[in-house]
Amino acid sequence: AQSVSQHNHHVILSEAASLELGCNYSYGGTVNLFWYVQYPGQHLQLLLKYFSGDPLVKGIKGFEAEFIKSKFSFNLRKPSVQWSDTAEYFCAVSSGGYNKLIFGAGTRLAVHP
Amino acid sequence: NAGVTQTPKFRILKIGQSMTLQCTQDMNHNYMYWYRQDPGMGLKLIYYSVGAGITDKGEVPNGYNVSRSTTEDFPLRLELAAPSQTSVYFCASSSGGSGNTIYFGEGSWLTVV
Repeated sequence: AQSVSQHNHHVILSEAASLELGCNYSYGGTVNLFWYVQYPGQHLQLLLKYFSGDPLVKGIKGFEAEFIKSKFSFNLRKPSVQWSDTAEYFCAVSSGGYNKLIFGAGTRLAVHP
Repeated sequence: NAGVTQTPKFRILKIGQSMTLQCTQDMNHNYMYWYRQDPGMGLKLIYYSVGAGITDKGEVPNGYNVSRSTTEDFPLRLELAAPSQTSVYFCASSSGGSGNTIYFGEGSWLTVV
């Protein structure tokens, strides 16, 4: 069965620090990869997605992620975080035709001013 | 621009009671999903549907039922509520299968006491 691992459950950063959140998945076939963000009290929103092509994907709000097939990884990065980035971040993978997502456990990011 | 709408937002149930979580989307999406999110865990798929009249089980279907009589609506029924069903429930939809963005509702917080 597919699974998704997020390495950090809680991350605390100061504003302007750089961010990298790890994500690994366990599936050898063709996958689609996603990062979703959940701001406090809000629903999940898509940050970025990878289906094919350039393994470096740029998303909204200055986020980017790099797909490294040999490492089964899809790490999320942002060069300089803001207080407004405080949220929970979920990595997810789908394969097959029905677009069913398998989620990681999430990483709670707290950014201090 | 409503998107995916879930009701109720909050509900407290007693053990053994039944209830229905309502979900409707106004994007004419064929694919709809129900996920649950437990503390410290990623979202897990309960049921999904690829069109009116078609439903299938996800990863954690026990204790739940769904129906899909129209494209817009995808209600989730809890029969004989149990404390293990205390969770946050998210409805989602997408226009198609692999490669399509999934849009989430704002969530329904359910507590079974």
